[in-house]
Amino acid sequence: AQTVTQSQPEMSVQEAETVTLSCTYDTSESDYYLFWYKQPPSRQMILVIRQEAYKQQNATENRFSVNFQKAAKSFSLKISDSQLGDAAMYFCAYRSVGQGGSEKLVFGKGTKLTVNP
Amino acid sequence: DAGVIQSPRHEVTEMGQEVTLRCKPISGHNSLFWYRQTMMRGLELLIYFNNNVPIDDSGMPEDRFSAKMPNASFSTLKIQPSEPRDSAVYFCASSFEVYSPLHFGNGTRLTVT
Repeated sequence: AQTVTQSQPEMSVQEAETVTLSCTYDTSESDYYLFWYKQPPSRQMILVIRQEAYKQQNATENRFSVNFQKAAKSFSLKISDSQLGDAAMYFCAYRSVGQGGSEKLVFGKGTKLTVNP
Repeated sequence: DAGVIQSPRHEVTEMGQEVTLRCKPISGHNSLFWYRQTMMRGLELLIYFNNNVPIDDSGMPEDRFSAKMPNASFSTLKIQPSEPRDSAVYFCASSFEVYSPLHFGNGTRLTVT
């Protein structure tokens, strides 16, 4: 079974600075999708960014970018120019594209990001 | 699009009572997922449906939990009888295809006393 590990339970960053959240995963599959979700105190789950495993180019969405290292099974999230509104729990997630209905999304335990003014 | 709609937003019940959580997925989405979130265990997949058919229910904790999807626009998660350890936030999510991200509802916070 696939597993997702986020080794940093908590992180903090100064407003306007850059922070990187780590994520590693374990899989024997060659094709899959990776996601970062944000969960603010409102508890809403918000998609931040996604990466297709077959694409070598790292995904970017405005101030958010990833460093996808397929061989190392690493998928870190970089937040540039951090803003107070970025404070939230961040979850890394893996989604298989396997056959037989195994397309479920597996989440890491999350990293709580604090942004200091 | 209204997004994934869950009801109720909060539910407080006494141990032993039946609890029914409801979900309306985004129109056109063919996969629906039920997750449970707790501090101790994080986000756990309980069950998911593809084209209204349950595909994987290995995450359902025990026989007290059941889920149905009678049509493409509605799903329920039922707990009978409920226990204090069932207290958690329950999320419903839907997606269009395997390559598309999951869209989550706002969750139901269940408290069993």
